[in-house]
Amino acid sequence: EDQVTQSPEALRLQEGESSSLNCSYTVSGLRGLFWYRQDPGKGPEFLFTLYSAGEEKEKERLKATLTKKESFLHITAPKPEDSATYLCAVRANTGNQFYFGTGTSLTVIP
Amino acid sequence: DGGITQSPKYLFRKEGQNVTLSCEQNLNHDAMYWYRQDPGQGLRLIYYSQIVNDFQKGDIAEGYSVSREKKESFPLTVTSAQKNPTAFYLCASSDYYGYTFGSGTRLTVV
Repeated sequence: EDQVTQSPEALRLQEGESSSLNCSYTVSGLRGLFWYRQDPGKGPEFLFTLYSAGEEKEKERLKATLTKKESFLHITAPKPEDSATYLCAVRANTGNQFYFGTGTSLTVIP
Repeated sequence: DGGITQSPKYLFRKEGQNVTLSCEQNLNHDAMYWYRQDPGQGLRLIYYSQIVNDFQKGDIAEGYSVSREKKESFPLTVTSAQKNPTAFYLCASSDYYGYTFGSGTRLTVV
């Protein structure tokens, strides 16, 4: 069964304190792993797509990496505006449907 | 600009009423989806449609109905059979590159 697990559920960081969010997955043939950011009361906003193990993508203070079993979203020197819920999703080779994790709620304290 | 428009942003339903949530996209995507989001439970798939005039039940379809008469539109009706409809509802569409989400509708039973 295709499955996505995110950890931790919640993370509180001081401004400038770097950390990583984890997304572990089991899927019958990975077609893509996706990271989204969601602010309260809004729809998820696309961040990155990773397609194969070893791939890395960066955007400002965020860097996403992928292995055969998990993905990490590294946050370097976070700022309060990085506070949000970060969602991970995988797409299998069969079908268009995404499988979402339950998200990590990040709070960055000034 | 291409995107997905959900309306209304806030919706209040009385007991026993049916209500319809609107979702329109101009991205020319074939596939569209409806998700329900509750605190701590992540995104749960209600219905999805891969093509006009065809749709499939997701994990929590009971008490909901959809139609797909046009490629651009995928409305969701929350029927009186849905006993706990208070939630945040997200519409999405997808192509090969990933999902695009709408801004969501918050439905509250009064």
